[in-house]
Amino acid sequence: GQNIDQPTEMTATEGAIVQINCTYQTSGFNGLFWYQQHAGEAPTFLSYNVLDGLEEKGRFSSFLSRSKGYSYLLLKELQMKDSASYLCATLNTGGFKTIFGAGTRLFVKA
Amino acid sequence: DAGITQSPRHKVTETGTPVTLRCHQTENHRYMYWYRQDPGHGLRLIHYSYGVKDTDKGEVSDGYSVSRSKTEDFLLTLESATSSQTSVYFCAIRDSMNTEAFFGQGTRLTVV
Repeated sequence: GQNIDQPTEMTATEGAIVQINCTYQTSGFNGLFWYQQHAGEAPTFLSYNVLDGLEEKGRFSSFLSRSKGYSYLLLKELQMKDSASYLCATLNTGGFKTIFGAGTRLFVKA
Repeated sequence: DAGITQSPRHKVTETGTPVTLRCHQTENHRYMYWYRQDPGHGLRLIHYSYGVKDTDKGEVSDGYSVSRSKTEDFLLTLESATSSQTSVYFCAIRDSMNTEAFFGQGTRLTVV
C-alpha cells in the first residue's frame, strides 16, 4: 500500500526560508515529485527526485532520502506569490503511476 | 503549456443521473489519468490509462468507469451520480515513464 504524510498547513514570512517535509511508505518506489497548486488552479510540476540528495532549481530545492522514506521541499527568499499548496507524490516502480499526499498549504505573510 | 482540455469545466447534476467528463490532449502522450480532489484528501487516483483501450483502477475507482478509444481522449463516466462524488476532477497526462505529469484545469462537479 501507499502512505504519504505531510503537514497540513505552514505559515512563513516574506523573504524567509521554509522547509516542507514529506514522509512516505510504499510497496514500490521509483521517485518523488513535488507540485505547486494555487487555489482554484491545476497543480504544476516543481521537481522530481530519483536519487538520494539535493536538487536545486532557483529558489526551490528538493531533497530525497530513499532509505528513510523522506523528502523535503525548501523554498528560499519567500514571496507572497509562493502562498499555495505543495503536493508531495510518489511514483511507482513501473514509472507511470503517481500517488499524492494530501498537500501542505503554505501561507506567506508580509 | 501542455495541450490538455477538460470539459465541461463546471457541472451541476442530480443524484442518480449519468455524467461523463472528457479529457482531450493534443500532445500524443501515452499515459492519461483521472484524479479527484477533496479537502483533506488531496489528489486521489480514480483510473488511469497506459494506451488505447488499456485502463486500470486507481485508489478510488468504485462508482466510476473510463474509456479510451483514441490516444487523445480519456472519458470518465459516473453511471449514477451520488452526492459523495461532488468534487473537483483533474485529468493528467504523461509522456513516458519517469517523467512529470501535466494537469488539465479541472472540472468542478456538484451532485445535488
